[in-house]
Amino acid sequence: GENVEQHPSTLSVQEGDSAVIKCTYSDSASNYFPWYKQELGKGPQLIIDIRSNVGEKKDQRIAVTLNKTAKHFSLHITETQPEDSAVYFCAFNTGKLIFGQGTTLQVKP
Amino acid sequence: DVKVTQSSRYLVKRTGEKVFLECVQDMDHENMFWYRQDPGLGLRLIYFSYDVKMKEKGDIPEGYSVSREKKERFSLILESASTNQTSMYLCASSLGRWTGELFFGEGSRLTVL
Repeated sequence: GENVEQHPSTLSVQEGDSAVIKCTYSDSASNYFPWYKQELGKGPQLIIDIRSNVGEKKDQRIAVTLNKTAKHFSLHITETQPEDSAVYFCAFNTGKLIFGQGTTLQVKP
Repeated sequence: DVKVTQSSRYLVKRTGEKVFLECVQDMDHENMFWYRQDPGLGLRLIYFSYDVKMKEKGDIPEGYSVSREKKERFSLILESASTNQTSMYLCASSLGRWTGELFFGEGSRLTVL
């Protein structure tokens, strides 16, 4: 079946450093790739998304890049802050939305 | 402000009990979803609904059913709870089907003893 592999499963960085999370997907026809952030005790919330007609999208300290040929997309967080600590999920659509396994990001002050 | 409300944050049930998880959204969204969240497995789709009284199976529908009698309410039903259904359950709604933002509730953590 369709799936997406997300790496790493855990990531620990120092405040101010950059963090990168990568996802590899299986359906080459997919055209929508969102990223969700889940803070402790809350439901996931959309933080950024990208569609297949663009290769990169930025929103302040976060950016997403898409490589359709290699079928992978990545989340980049620059100048990390303690409030960035959360679980991050990638997803892609293939008739329905398939989520990755999640990455727990810890930003140490 | 957009809101998806799940009626129970924490539930403890016994094996064999019937369990109802309720979800209400106030955004007039057509689409509603139930996901299950387990460590290392991400979010897995149980059931979804595009309209009142319709439902579609997701990736892991076995042991679950759903009800959508009103547009704003989508219920997940465990007919006979089992210990392997101990999990976090997340309800979501959206305007678009699969290429728009999903709005999630805060989750219902179910423990089956």
